[in-house]
Amino acid sequence: EAGVVQSPRYKIIEKKQPVAFWCNPISGHNTLYWYLQNLGQGPELLIRYENEEAVDDSQLPKDRFSAERLKGVDSTLKIQPAELGDSAVYLCASSITSGNEQFFGPGTRLTVL
Amino acid sequence: KNQVEQSPQSLIILEGKNCTLQCNYTVSPFSNLRWYKQDTGRGPVSLTIMTFSENTKSNGRYTATLDADTKQSSLHITASQLSDSASYICVVSAKISSYDKVIFGPGTSLSVIP
Repeated sequence: EAGVVQSPRYKIIEKKQPVAFWCNPISGHNTLYWYLQNLGQGPELLIRYENEEAVDDSQLPKDRFSAERLKGVDSTLKIQPAELGDSAVYLCASSITSGNEQFFGPGTRLTVL
Repeated sequence: KNQVEQSPQSLIILEGKNCTLQCNYTVSPFSNLRWYKQDTGRGPVSLTIMTFSENTKSNGRYTATLDADTKQSSLHITASQLSDSASYICVVSAKISSYDKVIFGPGTSLSVIP
């Protein structure tokens, strides 16, 4: 069975440009997470979905970040416009339900120039 | 404030040696504690999960301990291999209403050298 799929794996953009990341969770997993991970640090939660509902987006910078999980399956995270400080790895994870083991994708490494 | 701290920040050991990584947390109400291994360029992978009543759990050469009274956990790696080089992240879950809030530690970067 395929794990969590993310694309692209790498993205380099200039500041003020928009960027989007895509995640396809493990089939049957209701909970989907987007994390931001800076070098040498642990992941930081951006948003958590239960099916198609965003139930925890308190850490999402809503002025420039947006996310959606239409139909409660795959999800897209968007940044518009990107800033230099957004350079990081963006991880997607899924679990059967909240509280169960999270399975992570390989992440998207974003570099903003 | 719910927080997870890990030590050391980084560690270099010779292949074949043992090592122990530490995790201290101030998370309440405690639900469970996981250790994740994150290889470079990959997402974290769960090694062990421990609940309040569990003191020790092993997964091959990895042994995790939990002291719920002092809110400390350790991950012991026996007979280290080059493939153990990775970041090890302690993750503590707090039971908030009907769901678990997950708090990640900063990780310990382990380098195993020949």
